[in-house]
Amino acid sequence: AQKITQTQPGMFVQEKEAVTLDCTYDTSDQSYGLFWYKQPSSGEMIFLIYQGSYDEQNATEGRYSLNFQKARKSANLVISASQLGDSAMYFCAMREGPGGSNYKLTFGKGTLLTVNP
Amino acid sequence: GAVVSQHPSRVICKSGTSVKIECRSLDFQATTMFWYRQFPKQSLMLMATSNEGSKATYEQGVEKDKFLINHASLTLSTLTVTSAHPEDSSFYICSANGDGSSYNSPLHFGNGTRLTVT
Repeated sequence: AQKITQTQPGMFVQEKEAVTLDCTYDTSDQSYGLFWYKQPSSGEMIFLIYQGSYDEQNATEGRYSLNFQKARKSANLVISASQLGDSAMYFCAMREGPGGSNYKLTFGKGTLLTVNP
Repeated sequence: GAVVSQHPSRVICKSGTSVKIECRSLDFQATTMFWYRQFPKQSLMLMATSNEGSKATYEQGVEKDKFLINHASLTLSTLTVTSAHPEDSSFYICSANGDGSSYNSPLHFGNGTRLTVT
């Protein structure tokens, strides 16, 4: 079974509007971390935001916020006031552990976001 | 902080030759490094986990003899693609854990290496 599911292969948004990228996860661990990364066409992985399994408040980082619904096992990324530079691939990821896993990071399949002017 | 440097960024090699990719942690000691492979328009797939001074742990389906990983120091891990073939052409990217990292620490990535085997 997939640990991280991103059901939107591609999303389009108008510049200055908000967009939500979906992510659901599957784990039996109590302690885990959820992460969002941005990958522009150049290939580097840019860390955006983190949500811990014990965090009661949703994480926010500038224009990025994470809508964390633990009971539904979802961790959606919300980007407010989209900019043209936000066009990229976005990956949801999870770290579980330990259990000998060294807290490895498992990625979803990604969502390609295109911001239209 | 937490800068990971990966070299080379691009490499083209002939079929049958070997290619070495380096991953360095510049401002922290990386007790664990992870090597990922990414095909075009696909996700990152973990290939192996390396801990300094010990043998790498490979994910199921990854050929150990094909993808040699060495983590000889706390700041350097290398991935060698041996006897490369066109199907090994891919984007390889490393990431590193500092000492004390846990499930709530983001992994920091190198900028990746685009390998093309002709």
